[in-house]
Amino acid sequence: DTAVSQTPKYLVTQMGNDKSIKCEQNLGHDTMYWYKQDSKKFLKIMFSYNNKELIINETVPNRFSPKSPDKAHLNLHINSLELGDSAVYFCASSLGSVGANVLTFGAGSRLTVL
Amino acid sequence: AQSVTQPDIHITVSEGASLELRCNYSYGATPYLFWYVQSPGQGLQLLLKYFSGDTLVQGIKGFEAEFKRSQSSFNLRKPSVHWSDAAEYFCAVGGYNAGNMLTFGGGTRLMVKP
Repeated sequence: DTAVSQTPKYLVTQMGNDKSIKCEQNLGHDTMYWYKQDSKKFLKIMFSYNNKELIINETVPNRFSPKSPDKAHLNLHINSLELGDSAVYFCASSLGSVGANVLTFGAGSRLTVL
Repeated sequence: AQSVTQPDIHITVSEGASLELRCNYSYGATPYLFWYVQSPGQGLQLLLKYFSGDTLVQGIKGFEAEFKRSQSSFNLRKPSVHWSDAAEYFCAVGGYNAGNMLTFGGGTRLMVKP
């Protein structure tokens, strides 16, 4: 019944490794997002996809590569992890990408890089 | 560029007391405004939103917020706080041309004294 689900919920890894976080929504929404919440709780948009097409890329390092195989899924792959990548990553979705839309968020994936 | 300021990082109120969390935004056009709540270890839940119309909006859990264009504010209020309201509260701004890119404030942590 979960509307926006992310896996894994927790991820602990070493610097230099590559990891992925998966996100799926069952709301029938066309648009999906990744947000990053840092240790000070500051939330910032990373990417937005509408119907599998990238529409927002907020100057995120190339080590981060989102992939949307279909409009219900938006995965985040991170190469060569750095200490500064430690954060909580939130996936979200909305009905559309333009106009008055509400974002529904997942529970978050806490990434810790050692 | 759009921005949101939540001046109070922490607020402590007694259970049963009234609450007001402040939010000021900067946006070049008519804003869409949101309040989200994040309980410890949880994702973000929408409390209420303003898109247009009546400037006093009602939300879930007894919360309300008032949009004041002249003050660029969207303060959140609750007449009587419950212990379960202790959480982190985020104000966010978006708009028609922002591609649903929400910009969040830094959050206000609410603590409730018994």
